[in-house]
Amino acid sequence: GAVVSQHPSRVICKSGTSVKIECRSLDFQATTMFWYRQFPKKSLMLMATSNEGSKATYEQGVEKDKFLINHASLTLSTLTVTSAHPEDSSFYICSVTQGAEDTQYFGPGTRLTVL
Amino acid sequence: TQLLEQSPQFLSIQEGENLTVYCNSSSVFSSLQWYRQEPGEGPVLLVTVVTGGEVKKLKRLTFQFGDARKDSSLHITAAQTGDTGLYLCAGFTGTASKLTFGTGTRLQVTL
Repeated sequence: GAVVSQHPSRVICKSGTSVKIECRSLDFQATTMFWYRQFPKKSLMLMATSNEGSKATYEQGVEKDKFLINHASLTLSTLTVTSAHPEDSSFYICSVTQGAEDTQYFGPGTRLTVL
Repeated sequence: TQLLEQSPQFLSIQEGENLTVYCNSSSVFSSLQWYRQEPGEGPVLLVTVVTGGEVKKLKRLTFQFGDARKDSSLHITAAQTGDTGLYLCAGFTGTASKLTFGTGTRLQVTL
């Protein structure tokens, strides 16, 4: 399956700052990537669908201006958490879709801690 | 909103025991996937089931998709400590390739 990487794996930032998380598809050109967040001991919640060359599609309740998504190339999507607050602390995971069954392959995740 | 409820939420068993995890919904899914996630890592795909009534086996793991494609189960035979993790089912509706994840089942297998 597709190999997906994320950078950084962990980040700690101060409240009010912005943080950028990268998601790379290493062996597959992905026109679509997905961004999820996961709170401790909880399941994954889809935040947005990142579309190469066009605007991202956000799920209901997700603030577009707070979680900026850029999908500038077929191998890279970025999620920027703007003006981060402690409640934004979470595990952020991206995925790409590949194959006839639209199987999703996930990155290793990024642990964000906002102080 | 399509909801996937998993049961049990948490399961602690000893090595060698059998277990079954259930994934239920009132919605129909065109396919359903099972993932296993370890702490601090992304989910790893175990299996995809597509056809109603389908049964797939992966070594000691048996997956079944309900006839009506609204539910699924995962059965583990003779659990091992390496099976410990968070098990997630996820349904695919075919709309914009989006997956809806289940509530998760945390499995702990001890010696």
